[in-house]
Amino acid sequence: EAQVTQNPRYLITVTGKKLTVTCSQNMNHEYMSWYRQDPGLGLRQIYYSMNVEVTDKGDVPEGYKVSRKEKRNFPLILESPSPNQTSLYFCASSLARDRGNLFSYEQYFGPGTRLTVT
Amino acid sequence: GQSLEQPSEVTAVEGAIVQINCTYQTSGFYGLSWYQQHDGGAPTFLSYNGLDGLEETGRFSSFLSRSDSYGYLLLQELQMKDSASYFCAVRSGYSSASKIIFGSGTRLSIRP
Repeated sequence: EAQVTQNPRYLITVTGKKLTVTCSQNMNHEYMSWYRQDPGLGLRQIYYSMNVEVTDKGDVPEGYKVSRKEKRNFPLILESPSPNQTSLYFCASSLARDRGNLFSYEQYFGPGTRLTVT
Repeated sequence: GQSLEQPSEVTAVEGAIVQINCTYQTSGFYGLSWYQQHDGGAPTFLSYNGLDGLEETGRFSSFLSRSDSYGYLLLQELQMKDSASYFCAVRSGYSSASKIIFGSGTRLSIRP
């Protein structure tokens, strides 16, 4: 089954304690991305990756790090979490080349990780 | 700056047709997508427009006018299960390997 998995699904932590949210996809997608979702603000892209060892900043990268050492995995790292990073996080993946149909750029989203930083 | 504008809420009647508009302002443009998200769930892809015109997928259609920086999602024969939030999203660059910007979402409520 084609899917994007994220772990953990729920996390409560304290300010300053480093954490990693894992993301893995089994569709051999080149493009992977992290978003945060806050009420009234929609989804905001944190980082994205075009392929292995290629990452770039989205709209809200401050306070986050990512790595793409393998094509299937794209972990999100919070080195020193703060309360303003309390949010719902989604990982997503998609193709990065036109396949000639309107589903070419369909993003598949993981189930989300609800993070609370106290 | 870069932004996407869409109405925050829309209400419609079961069986009717509803249109959700999206206007965008981005530096570079590489396609407009639409996503549906039910409460407590993850966004799911509905459609993608890379070129001007209408794309139809069952009860859902999406339209794009690049000259007007405008698109819309059309939902026909509305069903109660269509009650959800709908997001437009743009790849704001000149290639598929670009940043993606989402609108803040339109909450669609369906009345019997």
